[in-house]
Amino acid sequence: KNQVEQSPQSLIILEGKNCTLQCNYTVSPFSNLRWYKQDTGRGPVSLTIMTFSENTKSNGRYTATLDADTKQSSLHITASQLSDSASYICVVTYTGGFKTIFGAGTRLFVKA
Amino acid sequence: GAVVSQHPSRVICKSGTSVKIECRSLDFQATTMFWYRQFPKQSLMLMATSNEGSKATYEQGVEKDKFLINHASLTLSTLTVTSAHPEDSSFYICSARVAGRFNEKLFFGSGTQLSVL
Repeated sequence: KNQVEQSPQSLIILEGKNCTLQCNYTVSPFSNLRWYKQDTGRGPVSLTIMTFSENTKSNGRYTATLDADTKQSSLHITASQLSDSASYICVVTYTGGFKTIFGAGTRLFVKA
Repeated sequence: GAVVSQHPSRVICKSGTSVKIECRSLDFQATTMFWYRQFPKQSLMLMATSNEGSKATYEQGVEKDKFLINHASLTLSTLTVTSAHPEDSSFYICSARVAGRFNEKLFFGSGTQLSVL
């Protein structure tokens, strides 16, 4: 069964600290993996996209990694800011119809 | 990146009325658009896939007569919630797919918060 699991479900960190969010998937055949940031009441905004041949991708303070062998991805946020408070969603696309599966998301709270 | 415009951002309606939500790709043509529903603190749930010029494909459990989808042009898809009831209150989001050689990209609208009284 194709699934995308994210952990932790929620996370609280202090402003300025780093954090890492996890995404494990059992999707096959894999096409690409994306991380999105979703502010409350807004649509998701793309942070990174990686195909099977890419191990890491950065976007400012956001760095995503992908291990296609273990089917794991992580999103690392450096020097967190209050505006980083949001839900972070891992999305995996698999070929054969371009099906897309969304993870349940990790809700990040950054406190001053 | 590409821009997807979704309107309205918020709508409040009486039970039994119909509500139309528009999703436009502003600077690109989208042959495929997707409609999602999201309940508080939950992830997006795909409702249907909208293909330009053909009938939409609905996910299991989604009533096609309840949620009418029209994709009449390459830049516009609409979702109409017919005879809305309080249980239809939710956050609805659209996305447009841009297919590349090795991967596809999804660009999301800003969402529509529907409240049915």
